[in-house]
Amino acid sequence: DTGVSQDPRHKITKRGQNVTFRCDPISEHNRLYWYRQTLGQGPEFLTYFQNEAQLEKSRLLSDRFSAERPKGSFSTLEIQRTEQGDSAMYLCASSTGGAKNIQYFGAGTRLSVL
Amino acid sequence: AQKVTQAQTEISVVEKEDVTLDCVYETRDTTYYLFWYKQPPSGELVFLIRRNSFDEQNEISGRYSWNFQKSTSSFNFTITASQVVDSAVYFCALILSNFGNEKLTFGTGTRLTIIP
Repeated sequence: DTGVSQDPRHKITKRGQNVTFRCDPISEHNRLYWYRQTLGQGPEFLTYFQNEAQLEKSRLLSDRFSAERPKGSFSTLEIQRTEQGDSAMYLCASSTGGAKNIQYFGAGTRLSVL
Repeated sequence: AQKVTQAQTEISVVEKEDVTLDCVYETRDTTYYLFWYKQPPSGELVFLIRRNSFDEQNEISGRYSWNFQKSTSSFNFTITASQVVDSAVYFCALILSNFGNEKLTFGTGTRLTIIP
């Protein structure tokens, strides 16, 4: 069973550009989560999906951020008009759902906005 | 709102020493789960343990052990006979068992360095 995979692993962009990240969850996991981790901090929840439905969004997810999971499998996270403050590690996790179930994480996409 | 505090920002110990990582949490809910994750330099968060709020039994897995004390809202992690491969950032996390809640709240992490 392959783990959660994220692509790309690293992204460098200029301020104002749009970027898109992809996450492929563990197969048959119907929950998919996005977290953001800045330097020296723990991951912070952004949003999560149950199948293709986006069930919760954090207030951290500004209007410039959009996440999709169109067929209930992989997910994309897009950031429009990037700002230097968007520089962070973006982590994806998946699970079979429910608070008690373990969220398995990918290796993340490190975004640097110049 | 819930909160997780890991007061130790960085710890360094010499290989083979024992080390304890502290985790204190805050919540008004009575039903929740606590987790520990390891984040090596590669960046991936690796799951280590899950404990529910009704199970205060301590757990041992090889060189790892966890001490859960509800009375002090603590869930501490001890590594016995540390090894260089244990060097990583360790995160404690909390999730409430409310229906529909699936958001992990993490502490700020403890960077552990094992000196050969």
